[in-house]
Amino acid sequence: DVKVTQSSRYLVKRTGEKVFLECVQDMDHENMFWYRQDPGLGLRLIYFSYDVKMKEKGDIPEGYSVSREKKERFSLILESASTNQTSMYLCASSFGGHPGFGNQPQHFGDGTRLSIL
Amino acid sequence: KQEVTQIPAALSVPEGENLVLNCSFTDSAIYNLQWFRQDPGKGLTSLLLIQSSQREQTSGRLNASLDKSSGRSTLYIAASQPGDSATYLCAATNQGGKLIFGQGTELSVKP
Repeated sequence: DVKVTQSSRYLVKRTGEKVFLECVQDMDHENMFWYRQDPGLGLRLIYFSYDVKMKEKGDIPEGYSVSREKKERFSLILESASTNQTSMYLCASSFGGHPGFGNQPQHFGDGTRLSIL
Repeated sequence: KQEVTQIPAALSVPEGENLVLNCSFTDSAIYNLQWFRQDPGKGLTSLLLIQSSQREQTSGRLNASLDKSSGRSTLYIAASQPGDSATYLCAATNQGGKLIFGQGTELSVKP
């Protein structure tokens, strides 16, 4: 079975802090994704990556950056955390190069509930 | 721009009942349609994926159908159980390879 592991289930940080959310997958998947989930807004794509050192902006990249130095690890970075970034963050991965051609199911981690005070 | 809608937002049924969850999408140019389950405070579990060339997929008591021409997908759950209680999300993969999610249907199965 695919295992997508997010480093923290719950995280509390202060405004202005630099925050790192880590995600690791164990199935040698090319594609990795970061979403946030908010009541009434559903899941929204922040960034994705279809190869090491490659990244593409999703629908709401503002205030975030990402890093993919190794195939199995995809990090989401909040450069200067703000209260409107309080949310549930979900990482996912899938097989097959570019997402548009891979056409494989995305597998999700358990999520990190981040609170910015 | 692709929009995915799920109706109803919430559904409560007695145990043992068969039920159907609905998902509609505005742009038929999709690669696939995926159904997920989400338990409270948890991540998403992939249930079924229907490729654009397929009409349906089955896994145990679950059956998902896809009608691209009408922009609809349904998830059929047979003989529902209290353990099926969760939020069910559908998502369409658009031509750019992104998943577009519906808001979900919160299902409660009463013993």
